[in-house]
Order: sequence, then C-alpha cells, then structure tokens
Amino acid sequence: EVQLVESGGGLVQPGRSLRLSCAASGFTFDDYAMHWVRQAPGKGLEWVSGISWNSGSIGYADSVKGRFTISRDNAKNSLYLQMNSLRAEDTALYYCAKDSGYDMAAVFDYWGQGTLVTVSS
Amino acid sequence: EIVLTQSPGTLSLSPGERATLSCRASQSVSSSYLAWYQQKPGQAPRLLIYGASSRATGIPDRFSGSGSGTDFTLTISRLEPEDFAVYYCQQYGSSPRAFGGGTKVEIK
Repeated sequence: EVQLVESGGGLVQPGRSLRLSCAASGFTFDDYAMHWVRQAPGKGLEWVSGISWNSGSIGYADSVKGRFTISRDNAKNSLYLQMNSLRAEDTALYYCAKDSGYDMAAVFDYWGQGTLVTVSS
Repeated sequence: EIVLTQSPGTLSLSPGERATLSCRASQSVSSSYLAWYQQKPGQAPRLLIYGASSRATGIPDRFSGSGSGTDFTLTISRLEPEDFAVYYCQQYGSSPRAFGGGTKVEIK
C-alpha cells in the first residue's frame, strides 16, 4: 500500500524558515518523480514544486521560486521542502504527491494527508 | 503559463442527476495531458481521470472525461451521495502544473 506521510509543519514567524519532510513507503521511491502541492485555508490547490526521480529535473511555482528548495534522498525514501523567507501567504496545508511517472510529466496518483504551515507573528 | 478556468463555481444537484463540469485552458493542453481530481472535506485530493478521458484505478464508470485542446469536461452520469465534493482539473503537459479553481458539487 502506498503511503506518504508529511511532517515538519507548524507555526512560524514571517521571514523565518521551515523544512518539510515526506516519508514514502509501499512503492519503489526512486522510480518516480515527486511533488509538493499546497492548499491555503478554504482555497484551491496550488502546485508548489516537483522533482524528477534522480533530482535531474526540478521545477518551482513562480510564487516560491528563490525561496523554496525541493530535494529528495532516495536512500531514505524521503522528499523534502526547505522553505525560507516565509510569508503570510505561504500559510497552507502542504501535500506531498507521487507522480505516476519518473520525470514530472504525469499525474499525481497518490497524495499524503498534508502538514499545516502557518506563517504569523 | 497555462491558466485553467473551471465552471460553474458551484453546481447544486440532487442524487441521481447528471453533473457536467467544465475546464477551459488559456492555451492548448499538449497531448490531452489533462487530469481531474476529487476532494472531499478534510481529505486529500484523489485522482479520477488522466489523459482527459482515462479513468484511474478503482474509479466507477459513472465518471467520464472528454475534450481536447482547450475545452475539457468531467461528467458524472448519476450522482451518488459520496460524489458531492470539490472537483479540480489540472494540466500536466507543461510547467507549471496548473490547477483550475475548482467546482463544488453540492446537494440541492
């Protein structure tokens, strides 16, 4: 059974940093691209960032480019999102999502339950 | 950057009725790389349709997708109580992987 478990969310002040993690199990992690998708309270879905199976291709939404860094550790079956210079508008539930392909060109076939990030003073 | 516009914002229907949801892209979606997701309150999204018209594993055949280019449709032939939810379209043919704003299907 595919499982994606996010962690690392919490309350953080504007301008500070936070690192999210996603622990994956139930599939061969290093065969697939992975993504972060966020959802602000009461709002829709926003793709944040994606990374290919071997970290060779990485993409970011314009809203986070230069502030967020996605990475993965295939030996640990884990996905990460380093979030720096956080803003109030980054407040959201952050989902980890598995791509159905290896190069970020396919759909998101499994999702975690999300970890909540709240940016507030 | 492709922008996806979903309509209507809210659809009020009764169980057993047919639901038709629209997703319009600001430019052509390559190779029909268009997906639909369902999200219920307090839950993560679930993949329903990929490649504009292929049902994901375990998705009932009352869900169907159609369209190409810039106009796509999700149809639920007969609404079941568990189908009342928010539905999002997403294009995955180019970056960024945009989502539409969602259509809420609510009980009338």
